[in-house]
Amino acid sequence: GNSVTQMEGPVTLSEEAFLTINCTYTATGYPSLFWYVQYPGEGLQLLLKATKADDKGSNKGFEATYRKETTSFHLEKGSVQVSDSAVYFCALSQGTGGYNKLIFGAGTRLAVHP
Amino acid sequence: EAGVAQSPRYKIIEKRQSVAFWCNPISGHATLYWYQQILGQGPKLLIQFQNNGVVDDSQLPKDRFSAERLKGVDSTLKIQPAKLEDSAVYLCASSSTGTGGGEQYFGPGTRLTVT
Repeated sequence: GNSVTQMEGPVTLSEEAFLTINCTYTATGYPSLFWYVQYPGEGLQLLLKATKADDKGSNKGFEATYRKETTSFHLEKGSVQVSDSAVYFCALSQGTGGYNKLIFGAGTRLAVHP
Repeated sequence: EAGVAQSPRYKIIEKRQSVAFWCNPISGHATLYWYQQILGQGPKLLIQFQNNGVVDDSQLPKDRFSAERLKGVDSTLKIQPAKLEDSAVYLCASSSTGTGGGEQYFGPGTRLTVT
C-alpha cells in the first residue's frame, strides 16, 4: 500500500543553520504531497504542498520539490530560527472512490538552539 | 474564521470504561476526519465523513469504536470498552472538499490516557 518514510529525529540545529528533512513515498498513481507542522501544544498546520511532479511548494522560508523520479519531497530551509522548533510531518493524499485521505510519515522533531 | 474545535482536551480513564470525544468542524466544511496519533507516530485515519455519510472507515476498530456525524456538522467519536493500546491523541480535521489536493484543517486534539 501507499506509505511515507521520513528521516528519524530529533534533528538538532543551531540558529541560522541549513535544514533538510528527508521524505520519500511509495504510491500508486500521482498523489499530492504535503508537509504539516505541529508546534508544541498546537494542532497540525499545513506548511506547504505540491500537487504534481516538479512542483515546488514554499511557505515561511521552507520549500520542498515534488520529485517523481526519486519519489521524494524533502523539506529545506536556508536559515532556521528558534521558533521553527516543532514536529514536521510529511504526508501524501491517496484517493479512494473519489475521496482523498492523508497518509502521514512518523514525524521528525526539530530543535533549534540559539 | 473559527478553527476546528475539540473537547475535552485531556481524558484519563481506566481500561474497559467508555469515553466520547466531540468535534465541531470549520463552518461550511463538508468533509470531517478522525485520526488517531499514537506517541511517536504520524496520525492514522480512523474514519472520514462527507456531510453525514461515511466514505471511509476501513481502519476503524468497529468492535469498540463508533462515530457519528448527525446533521452533517458536529461529530462524536466513542470508544467502548477502552483498552490500554487506545492511549493516543485523537485528532479531528475538516476540509471544504474531500477530493484532490485540498487542505485539511486540524483541531488541537484530545489526549486520551487509558490506565
